[in-house]
Amino acid sequence: AQSVTQLGSHVSVSEGALVLLRCNYSSSVPPYLFWYVQYPNQGLQLLLKYTSAATLVKGINGFEAEFKKSETSFHLTKPSAHMSDAAEYFCAVSDLRIRVKASEYGNKLVFGAGTILRVKS
Amino acid sequence: EAEVAQSPRYKITEKSQAVAFWCDPISGHATLYWYRQILGQGPELLVQFQDESVVDDSQLPKDRFSAERLKGVDSTLKIQPAELGDSAMYLCASSYSSGTGLGEQFFGPGTRLTVL
Repeated sequence: AQSVTQLGSHVSVSEGALVLLRCNYSSSVPPYLFWYVQYPNQGLQLLLKYTSAATLVKGINGFEAEFKKSETSFHLTKPSAHMSDAAEYFCAVSDLRIRVKASEYGNKLVFGAGTILRVKS
Repeated sequence: EAEVAQSPRYKITEKSQAVAFWCDPISGHATLYWYRQILGQGPELLVQFQDESVVDDSQLPKDRFSAERLKGVDSTLKIQPAELGDSAMYLCASSYSSGTGLGEQFFGPGTRLTVL
């Protein structure tokens, strides 16, 4: 079964510093990978997704992630942290496409435990 | 901008009582998901609907949880009876289904359940 490990439940950076959130996955087939952000008492918002095209994926709010098959990793980065980036970030994997009807699929996401990002002024 | 609606946003109940949560997905989204997010953990899929049919409920505790989407639009998740361990955020999400299975899941704001 697929799984996700996020290294570091809490990460603290200074405003303007590099953000690096780590994610390693386990999957028996080429995976689809996602990063979501969650602000307090809100739902999840998709930051970016890897769909077997380019290995470097750019997302919203200046975030990007690189798929490294040899390392089974999909780490999230941002060159310069902003106070508004403080939130919880979830990495997710989907390699099980549920066939909902002929030629149409949903995707089942398995999430990591999350990393809380704190940005210091 | 279209959003997934959920109600109530917060629910406090006593153990052994029944609770119900409601979700209205984005119009046109055939696939609907219910997730449970325990504090400090990532969301875990409870049930997935395609239109009115359940396509995955392998993680749904069926002795006390039930979910329905009678007309293939809005959905209700019920817990009866509630237990202390059910305290969590319950998230609803919806998506298009597609030929590649990559329809983005849009999440609602969630219902935070506290069982006393």
